[in-house]
Amino acid sequence: DIVMTQSPDSLAVSLGERATINCKSSQSVLYSSNNKDYLAWYQQKPGQPPKLLIYWASTRESGVPDRFSGSGSGTDFTLTISSLQAEDVAVYYCQQFYSTPYTFGQGTKLDIK
Amino acid sequence: QSTLKESGPTLVKPTQTLTLTCTFSGFSLSTNGMGVGWIRQSPGKALEWLALISWNDDKRYSPSLKNRLTVTKDTSKNQVVLRMTNMDPVDTATYYCARVWTSVTDYWGQGILVTVSS
Repeated sequence: DIVMTQSPDSLAVSLGERATINCKSSQSVLYSSNNKDYLAWYQQKPGQPPKLLIYWASTRESGVPDRFSGSGSGTDFTLTISSLQAEDVAVYYCQQFYSTPYTFGQGTKLDIK
Repeated sequence: QSTLKESGPTLVKPTQTLTLTCTFSGFSLSTNGMGVGWIRQSPGKALEWLALISWNDDKRYSPSLKNRLTVTKDTSKNQVVLRMTNMDPVDTATYYCARVWTSVTDYWGQGILVTVSS
């Protein structure tokens, strides 16, 4: 299995400030034949299912605000929220879909400072 | 717009078999590249990937649960069924089904909380 490790486990950021969450995979999730990283980011609020934010490491899902961005390649990835809004309080997960089982990170809890 | 909904028992006894049904709309599981996955989340814990069934009936399972899981599809009914045998209290979790399109898990059901208790 590919192990996904997120850092930090929790994070508190002031409104309007930048939030950065990191995700590291135990092996590369870059598929050489199409040069795509098989990495997604999800946002989960209490009592709700996860919501897809980013896929292919940097492609924003339709309807996701542009303050959310993804970067990285190979084994190291970052989710950035450029200007934190109150509605962004949630737990964020990365997931690799390079090979089954499509494993998730342990989650990063984001709060307002 | 794709939607999915999980249904099944919310309480099962230890050693029993859990059968969950995912009923979906807005897409077809006969479309090349389409799949339906199952993911669970124990209370207060992280997401755990369980299984995936694809348009061509390819089935993938979590290695740690492979011996207990079976996933099937009924394309005509737009349903996918997950069976998990020998349920234990540690299997208490919210179980989600989700659409998987070209390997991306994009649409999720609301989930069903299954409690394992005698």
